[in-house]
Amino acid sequence: GENVEQHPSTLSVQEGDSAVIKCTYSDSASNYFPWYKQELGKRPQLIIDIRSNVGEKKDQRIAVTLNKTAKHFSLHITETQPEDSAVYFCAASIGLLFNKFYFGSGTKLNVKP
Amino acid sequence: EAQVTQNPRYLITVTGKKLTVTCSQNMNHEYMSWYRQDPGLGLRQIYYSMNVEVTDKGDVPEGYKVSRKEKRNFPLILESPSPNQTSLYFCASTPFAEGRSEQFFGPGTRLTVL
Repeated sequence: GENVEQHPSTLSVQEGDSAVIKCTYSDSASNYFPWYKQELGKRPQLIIDIRSNVGEKKDQRIAVTLNKTAKHFSLHITETQPEDSAVYFCAASIGLLFNKFYFGSGTKLNVKP
Repeated sequence: EAQVTQNPRYLITVTGKKLTVTCSQNMNHEYMSWYRQDPGLGLRQIYYSMNVEVTDKGDVPEGYKVSRKEKRNFPLILESPSPNQTSLYFCASTPFAEGRSEQFFGPGTRLTVL
């Protein structure tokens, strides 16, 4: 099956700096790549996603890039704020309707004020 | 309020005692899925359902069963729980019919099997 690797496992940045989290996947059939944010004790929530026919997507301070050839995708957060502190998960989905999901192991982001 | 609910939220049980974790969504979503979350492993998909009476295995289905008799409900059944099923479980649903792929997660169920 698909294997999604996520790095780094922890990331500490100063408020206002940028943060980048990277994921690689193994199955070229993967066609949908969401990113979820999970605050402590809460449920995961989608922050941004990208489909395999798109190379980049941006939503305010958050952007995702996808390199299908290299099978990797990245989350970029600019102008980080303390409320960005959380665990971030990448995922890759396989299936006509994105039905099967494989998640990375998570990145704990700490934004220091 | 549109939401995904799970019950119970916390459960401590013993090895071999059958249990069911319920999941219900009031958003008329076609797709529902179960995940388990363990430290350092992220979320792993257990089972998913594309619609009523349509279920399929995820990445880690061993030791679990599911059913989808109604669109809104997707219970997770552990016929004979074992300590390695101690985990945090999340149910999720997705409105594919609306052309959306976002998964809406429930609040989670923390299960401990002694």
